[in-house]
Amino acid sequence: NAGVTQTPKFRVLKTGQSMTLLCAQDMNHEYMYWYRQDPGMGLRLIHYSVGEGTTAKGEVPDGYNVSRLKKQNFLLGLESAAPSQTSVYFCASSAPGLAVFEQFFGPGTRLTVL
Amino acid sequence: AQSVAQPEDQVNVAEGNPLTVKCTYSVSGNPYLFWYVQYPNRGLQFLLKYITGDNLVKGSYGFEAEFNKSQTSFHLKKPSALVSDSALYFCAGQSPANSGYALNFGKGTSLLVTP
Repeated sequence: NAGVTQTPKFRVLKTGQSMTLLCAQDMNHEYMYWYRQDPGMGLRLIHYSVGEGTTAKGEVPDGYNVSRLKKQNFLLGLESAAPSQTSVYFCASSAPGLAVFEQFFGPGTRLTVL
Repeated sequence: AQSVAQPEDQVNVAEGNPLTVKCTYSVSGNPYLFWYVQYPNRGLQFLLKYITGDNLVKGSYGFEAEFNKSQTSFHLKKPSALVSDSALYFCAGQSPANSGYALNFGKGTSLLVTP
């Protein structure tokens, strides 16, 4: 049981390049999330999904797109990377059925945009 | 929505001493509160959560948190700190269902436990 995995672990992009971050979970969780972590700002929600084929915007969605074609995968895309998107990106998943439930986090992807 | 605040950027404590990491919250309705820990270059790990019930919540690695409604606080505590407890700690509040139960994180508090 690998939990939540993220690919790649590190990436350096030039301004204007595109890339896709992959998140995979093997816990059969319905809900998945993408957060970004910046120094002194905690984690902020980019997009989330409450099930296969559904996505919704979070607090800081601009410049990102997401897709949830399969229940176990949640992709985060940057169409035209900007230096402001330099950050550490975390994916998380959680299970419904309770009013309050913990989220399980992946190890993160460290992205630098030059 | 539930917002949280962590008033301390860093907390220093000697090994063996008790530690407290502070968190205050602002909610409309019942608070659902969490503590997570992040070790260097790692993802976040769940420590404990408060839903309703006992104001003292026990979690992983000997941590506990005290919920105080009158002070709107949810402070993380441990009776005897270990050097290995040194990490970044996040308090979080849970958003409602129409926001996907996403977590709203505080800015984090860096805990340094010295030998």
